[in-house]
Amino acid sequence: AQSVTQLGSHVSVSEGALVLLRCNYSSSVPPYLFWYVQYPNQGLQLLLKYTSAATLVKGINGFEAEFKKSETSFHLTKPSAHMSDAAEYFCAVSEAGGYQKVTFGIGTKLQVIP
Amino acid sequence: DTAVSQTPKYLVTQMGNDKSIKCEQNLGHDTMYWYKQDSKKFLKIMFSYNNKELIINETVPNRFSPKSPDKAHLNLHINSLELGDSAVYFCASSQGNPDTQYFGPGTRLTVL
Repeated sequence: AQSVTQLGSHVSVSEGALVLLRCNYSSSVPPYLFWYVQYPNQGLQLLLKYTSAATLVKGINGFEAEFKKSETSFHLTKPSAHMSDAAEYFCAVSEAGGYQKVTFGIGTKLQVIP
Repeated sequence: DTAVSQTPKYLVTQMGNDKSIKCEQNLGHDTMYWYKQDSKKFLKIMFSYNNKELIINETVPNRFSPKSPDKAHLNLHINSLELGDSAVYFCASSQGNPDTQYFGPGTRLTVL
């Protein structure tokens, strides 16, 4: 069975500071991994995804994530936070092959302090 | 053009009523989903259809019945609404599974 653990349901950073949102996964087979962002009163949109190609994945809005198999992690980073980054971030995992469901983490709410 | 649209955006109703939520996607995707997001923002898959065929059916009360008349539409009908059904329901679509999912704006259901 696949699962995702997001450490920290709330993260606060100052504007201009490094953003680090943590995600660890569990999967019995090679996983596909995703980060989605949800702005208030909107649906989720994809930030980036890992599908067994390069381990360092770059996404939209300056975000990137690194797949580390030995640590079963897929942490999301951004060098410099912007006020517009304030949102809810979801890590998700799916197992490659066939019609597999995507399992989402509980989400991390990012607050950016001016 | 909206890629994934849902109607209605808000739905307020009394316990015991029956209601439907409609979803349409114009992306040409084969797979569509229904998710429930509770008040703590936890997102849980309910159903998934591929080319009108049900492929994922999570542990959901049988008061919830999805219907896919064609691969661009996936509707959700809920019978005998309960207080615990209050949530935001999201429709999503993707080309194949798993792949990037495109989410609709959500339907906020409030059961009084």
